[in-house]
Amino acid sequence: SQTIHQWPATLVQPVGSPLSLECTVEGTSNPNLYWYRQAAGRGLQLLFYSVGIGQISSEVPQNLSASRPQDRQFILSSKKLLLSDSGFYLCAWSPDSGYEQYFGPGTRLTVT
Amino acid sequence: AQKITQTQPGMFVQEKEAVTLDCTYDTSDPSYGLFWYKQPSSGEMIFLIYQGSYDQQNATEGRYSLNFQKARKSANLVISASQLGDSAMYFCAMRNAGNMLTFGGGTRLMVKP
Repeated sequence: SQTIHQWPATLVQPVGSPLSLECTVEGTSNPNLYWYRQAAGRGLQLLFYSVGIGQISSEVPQNLSASRPQDRQFILSSKKLLLSDSGFYLCAWSPDSGYEQYFGPGTRLTVT
Repeated sequence: AQKITQTQPGMFVQEKEAVTLDCTYDTSDPSYGLFWYKQPSSGEMIFLIYQGSYDQQNATEGRYSLNFQKARKSANLVISASQLGDSAMYFCAMRNAGNMLTFGGGTRLMVKP
């Protein structure tokens, strides 16, 4: 069966510091991968998606970036965090030929 | 542009009763799909049910059913025989032709014992 992992689970970082969140998927190949952000009490906002290694599309311009160095690895990064980057970050995957998106456990980021 | 609207910020339901969570959508794509996800306090997003725009019958998954009314652009989630563990945030989402999801603002469901 397929599983999706995210780490760290929680993170507290000062403004201006770098960020690296990692997401990995097991049990499938060539998944579509997604990064979402959820502000407190709100719905999810799609940040990035990837249909293959090195292929990244951005939905929202911001100081975040994403990379996909391996087929089942998706990384969310920032060079300098802003207070507004605080939130709950969720990684998701979907089969290459399917519709359902399955989410990881999420990373709660607090920028102080 | 796609839009999902969930007009109920919070709802109460008595344990063992049925409850309907509302979702309306707007899209110009002829092909789309509608999802419902459950988000408990732990934060994980749990996939519940999916309805394709061309599906003839309403989707059902155990105690969950999706009341799909295409002409009204609504995709309400019905939970039968509510359980205490159903207390959570529920999100309606729509996929476009490129499989991107747009989420509604969510409904917090609280099940009373």
